[in-house]
Amino acid sequence: DSGVTQTPKHLITATGQRVTLRCSPRSGDLSVYWYQQSLDQGLQFLIQYYNGEERAKGNILERFSAQQFPDLHSELNLSSLELGDSALYFCASGRTGAREKLFFGSGTQLSVL
Amino acid sequence: GENVEQHPSTLSVQEGDSAVIKCTYSDSASNYFPWYKQELGKRPQLIIDIRSNVGEKKDQRIAVTLNKTAKHFSLHITETQPEDSAVYFCAASTGAAGNKLTFGGGTRVLVKP
Repeated sequence: DSGVTQTPKHLITATGQRVTLRCSPRSGDLSVYWYQQSLDQGLQFLIQYYNGEERAKGNILERFSAQQFPDLHSELNLSSLELGDSALYFCASGRTGAREKLFFGSGTQLSVL
Repeated sequence: GENVEQHPSTLSVQEGDSAVIKCTYSDSASNYFPWYKQELGKRPQLIIDIRSNVGEKKDQRIAVTLNKTAKHFSLHITETQPEDSAVYFCAASTGAAGNKLTFGGGTRVLVKP
């Protein structure tokens, strides 16, 4: 167990809908990262937050948004969902926000039908 | 931005043999290079990392080498065991203003008993 909690584990929804994925980092970690992993694909960096502020941004679609709350948990919002958004979404946390080991959650498997 | 290429995409070895995975990166400012192992249906887990001020690091049967001049780094697994079967990802990060860790495409390693 990495100490990073992601909910829900599975999510099935329809095209055009909106979903929210939730992540609680390890105790003491200030940084949260979101990654997308499509079938048989690598890990695509979406966005990073550090202590409530956006720190780095990757190839995140405009339909996607995220935030980190004062209690340091983070939410990833995916809207106007398309079939191609089906993927495994991982959250990871780290202590310092730079050059650090990442601890991954178990992921949320999103299926858009 | 940073681009990380990883080879080979699949690797089959006999139990007891060595396995080598190679990665190249594009951003000369990158200074942190972790390796993650992802078993089927599981989260990625850090197995070893190296920073740019060293050329080699070992941890039991695993070693990583870094050549900053050529901008490539490699993972070496000796005396492979069936439990080493997994997908391995290399990554690179500049660690500047955030930790936009860029992952390679992954190598699926199969250790045959």
